[in-house]
Order: sequence, then structure tokens, then C-alpha cells
Amino acid sequence: DTAVSQTPKYLVTQMGNDKSIKCEQNLGHDTMYWYKQDSKKFLKIMFSYNNKELIINETVPNRFSPKSPDKAHLNLHINSLELGDSAVYFCASSQGRWHPVAGELFFGEGSRLTVL
Amino acid sequence: AQTVTQSQPEMSVQEAETVTLSCTYDTSESDYYLFWYKQPPSRQMILVIRQEAYKQQNATENRFSVNFQKAAKSFSLKISDSQLGDAAMYFCAYGGYGNKLVFGAGTILRVKS
Repeated sequence: DTAVSQTPKYLVTQMGNDKSIKCEQNLGHDTMYWYKQDSKKFLKIMFSYNNKELIINETVPNRFSPKSPDKAHLNLHINSLELGDSAVYFCASSQGRWHPVAGELFFGEGSRLTVL
Repeated sequence: AQTVTQSQPEMSVQEAETVTLSCTYDTSESDYYLFWYKQPPSRQMILVIRQEAYKQQNATENRFSVNFQKAAKSFSLKISDSQLGDAAMYFCAYGGYGNKLVFGAGTILRVKS
């Protein structure tokens, strides 16, 4: 069974479109994340949710809107896509919320978004 | 804010040899975790090894071990008996207050047969 699964794994779309990436974890973790990996492979956190509550919101354009219907799901919706949004988006989960990080992050396989 | 620096963009090692990947970090916190993640071409992020800052003993996982120098804020990864399957991008990561991991820029490891 896949612990953290994301769909779709590949997404090619035109500038200006709206798209969503879905993430689900079956690990029973309380905290989920979205990370963005740019073309230089740099990984940067975007959002974190703990039990449906937004706890981390890094400086991300408000075109990006995460939604967590329950603690096992965290979706990412992107409006008015721009060329610079092209990247690999990773969903991840972890066991705890507060410091210290209780354990490692468990990552999904990533969703490669290409904006043309 | 915490920062993680990996000064080696790329490293090469001969199969069966040993290689060390460097990582330094900056923090004012006293308690935190450090991680090494591996990202092969499949792009899946895989945890290699984890170190708790309060533990003086260096973590070891089979052929992978770390040299954790807390005072120097250094956390290097040693891979012994390198195998072709070790070829990947390796990320050093810091986890402290705020429940997020901060990643370094990564080191590409190439393994020569």
C-alpha cells in the first residue's frame, strides 16, 4: 500500500488555467505538507496542515490555495497558472505537530507540473 | 531562520569505495533533528538516516553513517562500499521548532563502475 499518494503524477497545462493536485496519506499522521521543488532541485515548504488546521503558510502567492477536508487529505489548488509555477510539487506527512519534528517526513512521489 | 548548506554540488565515487557528503547548518536552537534524504531519478524522496541533536552518538544505518559535530554545526554523510544504486541526489535537512524541514540545495552523487 502506498503511504502517501499524489495525483496526478504529471500535469501539462496552459498559462492561465486552474489545476488541482490531490494528496492522501494512510499512515494515520496528523500533519501534512506541500513542498515545491524547482528546476534547480531546491525544496521549499509551501504549506502545512495539522488535523485540518493551517499551521504553516510560507510566502506563497494567493493563487495557491490548500484545502484539507480531513487529516488524511491535503489538496493543492492553483489558479491562473504562470510559467514560473512549473515545478515538482511534493506532498508529505509526519506524525507530530510541535517541536521537535517527531520523525521524518514521508513523501509522495511528486507531481510534475509543466505550464506552457 | 535556519539555513542548511551543502557545499558540494556534485560528487563522484568508484563502486565499492567510500564517499563523504558535507552539510553545515545554522541555528540558535539547542534541540533539533537532522536528516539525509536520497532522491533517485525516480524522484521519490527516501529517508537515508536521522540524527537527534541531543544524542552524542553518531547514527548508523548499514553502509550509511553520519559524523555529527554539534558545536561546529556540521552533519556529514559517509557512504561505505558504494553501490550503483546509491547514485542519486542527496539532501541534508534540518528539523526544529515550527515543525517543518529546511533542506539544503542537494549534492548529486555519481557512482562509477
